[in-house]
Amino acid sequence: AQSVTQLGSHVSVSEGALVLLRCNYSSSVPPYLFWYVQYPNQGLQLLLKYTTGATLVKGINGFEAEFKKSETSFHLTKPSAHMSDAAEYFCAVSDLDYNQGGKLIFGQGTELSVKP
Amino acid sequence: SAVISQKPSRDICQRGTSLTIQCQVDSQVTMMFWYRQQPGQSLTLIATANQGSEATYESGFVIDKFPISRPNLTFSTLTVSNMSPEDSSIYLCSVEVDRGSNEQYFGPGTRLTVT
Repeated sequence: AQSVTQLGSHVSVSEGALVLLRCNYSSSVPPYLFWYVQYPNQGLQLLLKYTTGATLVKGINGFEAEFKKSETSFHLTKPSAHMSDAAEYFCAVSDLDYNQGGKLIFGQGTELSVKP
Repeated sequence: SAVISQKPSRDICQRGTSLTIQCQVDSQVTMMFWYRQQPGQSLTLIATANQGSEATYESGFVIDKFPISRPNLTFSTLTVSNMSPEDSSIYLCSVEVDRGSNEQYFGPGTRLTVT
């Protein structure tokens, strides 16, 4: 069965600094991978996804992630943090063994703080 | 994408009572899902709700506690029955718009507090 590990429950960066949120997965088959963002008191918004093809995926709000099969990683980056990026970020993998399709397994989440 | 609404947005309930949460989508979708997000935690899938069939529950969740209805392709309800303080969570519904994409869109959530 698939699983997801997010390294670091809290990450703090200064405004303008690089954002790096780490995600590692385990999967016996090529996975679909996702990053979601949750702003306070809101639902989850899809940032980006990897299915097949190009391993560097660009998403909304300047975020991107790179699928590295050899490292079983899907880290999320943004070159320059904005105050508005402060939120909870979740990495998720699609459970491709789920016979009804579509089941997502979420990591524990990383809370990103941005300091002025 | 899809626009998803949930009612109520939040509620405070007495233990032993039940609450029904509604999820409405602006387009027809096959796959709908219900998740629970306990305070400070990640999301856990409760069940998958497909129109025309019984919901499929994940390990640790049972129909008597979390009955689900899916009367059509744009609507679903989740009931939290005989509530206890441990049921205090955010409950989110999500949909898969493009079948097989595994890409899910989430509603804003229902914040439930049980006293």
